[in-house]
Amino acid sequence: DQQVKQNSPSLSVQEGRISILNCDYTNSMFDYFLWYKKYPAEGPTFLISISSIKDKNEDGRFTVFLNKSAKHLSLHIVPSQPGDSAVYFCAALGGTSYGKLTFGQGTILTVHP
Amino acid sequence: EAEVAQSPRYKITEKSQAVAFWCDPISGHATLYWYRQILGQGPELLVQFQDESVVDDSQLPKDRFSAERLKGVDSTLKIQPAELGDSAMYLCASSPRGTQYFGPGTRLTVL
Repeated sequence: DQQVKQNSPSLSVQEGRISILNCDYTNSMFDYFLWYKKYPAEGPTFLISISSIKDKNEDGRFTVFLNKSAKHLSLHIVPSQPGDSAVYFCAALGGTSYGKLTFGQGTILTVHP
Repeated sequence: EAEVAQSPRYKITEKSQAVAFWCDPISGHATLYWYRQILGQGPELLVQFQDESVVDDSQLPKDRFSAERLKGVDSTLKIQPAELGDSAMYLCASSPRGTQYFGPGTRLTVL
């Protein structure tokens, strides 16, 4: 049972344009959401998070939007840069498993110069 | 900036051998996690420690995997015997509360 889903395995964007990565979840007990970025052969790097009491959180070029009624969140990167090319994971906290992060499958973002 | 340390970064072993991975969390982080990531999938939790106590090991294959955090600081994950299906990235993370910070991982290849 995949409780966190990233339905787009890959996304290709031109440098300077907006990248939008999407994530859906099924467990209504999740109350904290995070985005991680991962380069090959490295561990995930924390990017940005959002609590379920908010619908938007912004940090520089990165903005996360949360739509609780749709159980959907998205990460916007503006403007996209070639160095943003990586795998992006959506993750959720909460529910009955205290502290356990539930990850999506990841989306490979490629930003072309 | 404090980081989670892991060693080794890469490990190649033959099936039926024993392997061990080490993790040193960020100082002061009481919670430590071991995740396994198979290529093309997101990380999945193997075991979670709060200080020296196991909080969640429901997904740990206990017939061959073991984990310890004896003094509530660094931790060791062991596999004995290793199987071909254990080839994956093993990630350690630590957390003060909420956000988890990951180490660089250990890439295990079982031949």
